[in-house]
Amino acid sequence: GGIITQTPKFLIGQEGQKLTLKCQQNFNHDTMYWYRQDSGKGLRLIYYSITENDLQKGDLSEGYDASREKKSSFSLTVTSAQKNEMAVFLCASSIGRADTEVFFGKGTRLTVV
Amino acid sequence: AQSVTQPDARVTVSEGASLQLRCKYSYFGTPYLFWYVQYPRQGLQLLLKYYPGDPVVQGVNGFEAEFSKSNSSFHLRKASVHWSDWAVYFCAVSTYQGGRALIFGTGTTVSVSP
Repeated sequence: GGIITQTPKFLIGQEGQKLTLKCQQNFNHDTMYWYRQDSGKGLRLIYYSITENDLQKGDLSEGYDASREKKSSFSLTVTSAQKNEMAVFLCASSIGRADTEVFFGKGTRLTVV
Repeated sequence: AQSVTQPDARVTVSEGASLQLRCKYSYFGTPYLFWYVQYPRQGLQLLLKYYPGDPVVQGVNGFEAEFSKSNSSFHLRKASVHWSDWAVYFCAVSTYQGGRALIFGTGTTVSVSP
């Protein structure tokens, strides 16, 4: 089996700050994802990447940048944190075929003060 | 556009009772559908998946789901709920937009009463 490691587990930022979240996977999966989870809104796709150096925008990409410099890692940057923002950011990976399982990390909880 | 609707935000069931969670999808083509579960303070885990074939699929821990093309639905069922089933359940559809990604519903929180 493999594992997805997200760092940090908790992130506290200030309004307007640029914040970076990191994700590593050892499944050797091609595709990686970033989702945002808000209470009552489910999971919304921010960015995904089907291979190294590839980036695809999801429905929620505005306000975020992403980077996939290696197959095993995928980082997400909040370009300007919004005051009172609270959400959990989930990283995931998969082989990339339609019928395959997507594996998730345990998340980074962001609080903006 | 592809979407998934879970109309029930929260469901409370008695331990030992049956459970059905509703999921409706909108997808132009043949859908691949999934149910994921998120236990308290844990990551999302796959319960079961559907790809074209038998409309009833079996998952882990006694869960099953039934695909209906005519109703655009993929409802999740369990015959007898256990307290450990207390969790948030997400329905998802696999879509293709330059690559594969899952589109999730808003989730249903299941609470189990003694």
